[in-house]
Amino acid sequence: DVKVTQSSRYLVKRTGEKVFLECVQDMDHENMFWYRQDPGLGLRLIYFSYDVKMKEKGDIPEGYSVSREKKERFSLILESASTNQTSMYLCASTIGGLKTQYFGPGTRLLVL
Amino acid sequence: DAKTTQPNSMESNEEEPVHLPCNHSTISGTDYIHWYRQLPSQGPEYVIHGLTSNVNNRMASLAIAEDRKSSTLILHRATLRDAAVYYCILRDVNNQGGKLIFGQGTELSVKP
Repeated sequence: DVKVTQSSRYLVKRTGEKVFLECVQDMDHENMFWYRQDPGLGLRLIYFSYDVKMKEKGDIPEGYSVSREKKERFSLILESASTNQTSMYLCASTIGGLKTQYFGPGTRLLVL
Repeated sequence: DAKTTQPNSMESNEEEPVHLPCNHSTISGTDYIHWYRQLPSQGPEYVIHGLTSNVNNRMASLAIAEDRKSSTLILHRATLRDAAVYYCILRDVNNQGGKLIFGQGTELSVKP
């Protein structure tokens, strides 16, 4: 059974803190993605990665960075968390092309 | 990427069929039609996809109009567990990166 796991389901951080969200997939997928989901705005792509050490900006990369040191792990970093980064964060992976994208359960982040 | 239009919400009764429409009048010849759904408090999951012909799988059926400008996701017997937001997404065969662009989707509620 395919699996994408995220390090936390719920997270509370303070403004200015550095935040790490981790995502791990066990399917040997090349491509991994970070989305955020907000009411009324739907899912929006933050960053994605086609391979180890490669990254591409999505639609809303400002305020975020990513790291892909190993194929199975894709980390989203909030360098200095702000209240407008309070959101649901979803990680996904796919082997590529038109293949199915598998999502993790999401991390609900609250920045106070 | 071509745009899709879906109703914001729909209601169904349990054990009755549900037809979820999607309009994609600007679809190109290389666009596949994908459907994902997102159950409450979970990440999205793949439902079905097709190009020109109608498709069936264990979850649903996909009926594609002859001119491909619209499609319908069919749940043959809705259950309470089918209550979710359903997303109709066009994916270009040339999009090898596997990105998904989500619209607002249709929120399906199922009444017992």
